[in-house]
Amino acid sequence: QVQLVQSGAEVRKPGASVKLSCKASGYTFNNYDINWVRQAPGQGLEWMAWMNPKSGNTGNAQKLQGRVTMTRNTSISTAYLELTSLRSEDTAVYYCARGQGWLQPFEYWGQGTQVTVPS
Amino acid sequence: QSVLTQPPSVSGAPGQRVTITCTGSSSNLGAGYAVHWYQQLPGTAPKLLIYGNNNRPSGVPDRFSGSKSGTSASLAITGLQAEDEADYYCQSYDYMLSGSRAFGGGTKVFVL
Repeated sequence: QVQLVQSGAEVRKPGASVKLSCKASGYTFNNYDINWVRQAPGQGLEWMAWMNPKSGNTGNAQKLQGRVTMTRNTSISTAYLELTSLRSEDTAVYYCARGQGWLQPFEYWGQGTQVTVPS
Repeated sequence: QSVLTQPPSVSGAPGQRVTITCTGSSSNLGAGYAVHWYQQLPGTAPKLLIYGNNNRPSGVPDRFSGSKSGTSASLAITGLQAEDEADYYCQSYDYMLSGSRAFGGGTKVFVL
């Protein structure tokens, strides 16, 4: 069965960086995009970024431009999200989700990773 | 502010029907792009509930249905059950956005 397993909770100081992982199993990693979606405390879902694991092509939301980087290691079917210059507003649960192209839904989700940036 | 607008909350008694609206614009729903719906139970990851406007993934009860017309979409829950109390999000493609994915602000469904 398809699974996305994310790395554990992180606490970072303002200005620091964090790198999260999302390990895929149960399907061919290169055949589906990986997206990242975050949810601040008590707030809604916010789409952040996507990556095509096969090509390495990426895209991200405008508000995160310059602070977010997506990478992958196809040999271990793992995608990574790095967020730099952290601020308290980045405190959120970060989810990875499998998609396929821009028009398709996010069919499978990881369990989420809590990132806390104390103010 | 989300480009897809949802009511903050809706409520209904067990067995009733509730509807959640998702209002977009000419750059997303009005351009013909499909809407997808997700259910998020407290403390859990979102789950795909409806895709492509009105399709249910395997395992989703037929109490849940979706529709879309013009710049708006709706999610209906019939025969409301206590376990349906959750947050619901619509999502679509928007060609004006960098990266193009957009979520609605979410709607909390309360079962009275």
